[in-house]
Amino acid sequence: QQQVKQSPQSLIVQKGGISIINCAYENTAFDYFPWYQQFPGKGPALLIAIRPDVSEKKEGRFTISFNKSAKQFSLHIMDSQPGDSATYFCAASWSDKLIFGTGTRLQVFP
Amino acid sequence: SQTIHQWPATLVQPVGSPLSLECTVEGTSNPNLYWYRQAAGRGLQLLFYSVGIGQISSEVPQNLSASRPQDRQFILSSKKLLLSDSGFYLCAWTRRTDTQYFGPGTRLTVL
Repeated sequence: QQQVKQSPQSLIVQKGGISIINCAYENTAFDYFPWYQQFPGKGPALLIAIRPDVSEKKEGRFTISFNKSAKQFSLHIMDSQPGDSATYFCAASWSDKLIFGTGTRLQVFP
Repeated sequence: SQTIHQWPATLVQPVGSPLSLECTVEGTSNPNLYWYRQAAGRGLQLLFYSVGIGQISSEVPQNLSASRPQDRQFILSSKKLLLSDSGFYLCAWTRRTDTQYFGPGTRLTVL
């Protein structure tokens, strides 16, 4: 019940395309859902986050869509750029802890 | 502004040797502190977290231990390293706002 399932494991997108990463959870006590971006050899950095009382949040080219009834949320990267090539992690917060998905390696080709 | 430091950045240690990794946070007080391990190409595994000085919660039983001797200092230790302890160790902090901020990490290779 503490798991966050993330898919796909890897994603290849052409420059200018839309990248979509999906996550699902079971525990309805989760109350905060962040996405992190990690470049090789670096620590993860917060990208965007959402709370379950909101169905969508947009920041620049990054959008989180949240479906509370389906217990699913996704990250959409519009106009994907080669600089977006990184590993993306979804997470869910519960009791001062974050439960992370297994990560998606995104490669954006020119 | 807040800053989190980790050192060393990289470490190569023989099997059976001790380990001490340090994490410090600047610009905040009484943060929650976390240690994670990330195996190559894998997700983040929470190892320990602390809500205050001397208060440590262990998430995964193993040969690692953690200590918090000062408010903004978190230390990860081992008396005898195993090959399976190799990985990327990340420290993170939060000021009870759910968002965790990660340090630059320590790359540990056990040979």
